Amino acid sequence: SQKIEQNSEALNIQEGKTATLTCNYTNYSPAYLQWYRQDPGRGPVFLLLIRENEKEKRKERLKVTFDTTLKQSLFHITASQPADSATYLCALEGNNAGNMLTFGGGTRLMVKP
Amino acid sequence: KAGVTQTPRYLIKTRGQQVTLSCSPISGHRSVSWYQQTPGQGLQFLFEYFSETQRNKGNFPGRFSGRQFSNSRSEMNVSTLELGDSALYLCASSLEGGQRTQYFGPGTRLLVL
Repeated sequence: SQKIEQNSEALNIQEGKTATLTCNYTNYSPAYLQWYRQDPGRGPVFLLLIRENEKEKRKERLKVTFDTTLKQSLFHITASQPADSATYLCALEGNNAGNMLTFGGGTRLMVKP
Repeated sequence: KAGVTQTPRYLIKTRGQQVTLSCSPISGHRSVSWYQQTPGQGLQFLFEYFSETQRNKGNFPGRFSGRQFSNSRSEMNVSTLELGDSALYLCASSLEGGQRTQYFGPGTRLLVL
């Protein structure tokens, strides 16, 4: 069955360091992979989208890589700040799936000052 | 532009009752998706509506239903509530034509007693 795995353990890092979050998937051939941020009690907020034929995408301090051979995406936040503390969710969408996203369980990031 | 709005924000029901949740998408967005989020199962896709038609459906029992109106507003209904239906119900809207980003509302927190 299709599975999307994110590290369920919280990731604790020091302010200023680079945070790296992992999203692995099996039995899936996504056309798109998205990353969202979710704060407690709020809905997810879109951050970045990367297509299956793209290797890397950047936006300000954020960088996403997508390796369809390894079936893995890495999400990096450089020069992390305490305000980056949140849960980060990866979501996959297949071809012709409309807007049906399948989400991973999310990884909680804690950036300590 | 106003974001996605959901009403009510909080709801307490008892087992066996039914509930209707409402979602108003961002102006101009024609696709509305519904998700259920629980600590154990994470964020799970319920269904997606586009132009008043259900386009995709997740793996939920028939007690979960929805509809979309001509102004793109959507409602979801859960009948014969069970304790396990306690969750955060999120609505997300998006454009069509290759725009894959989903914009989430704040959610409705449902507690079933």
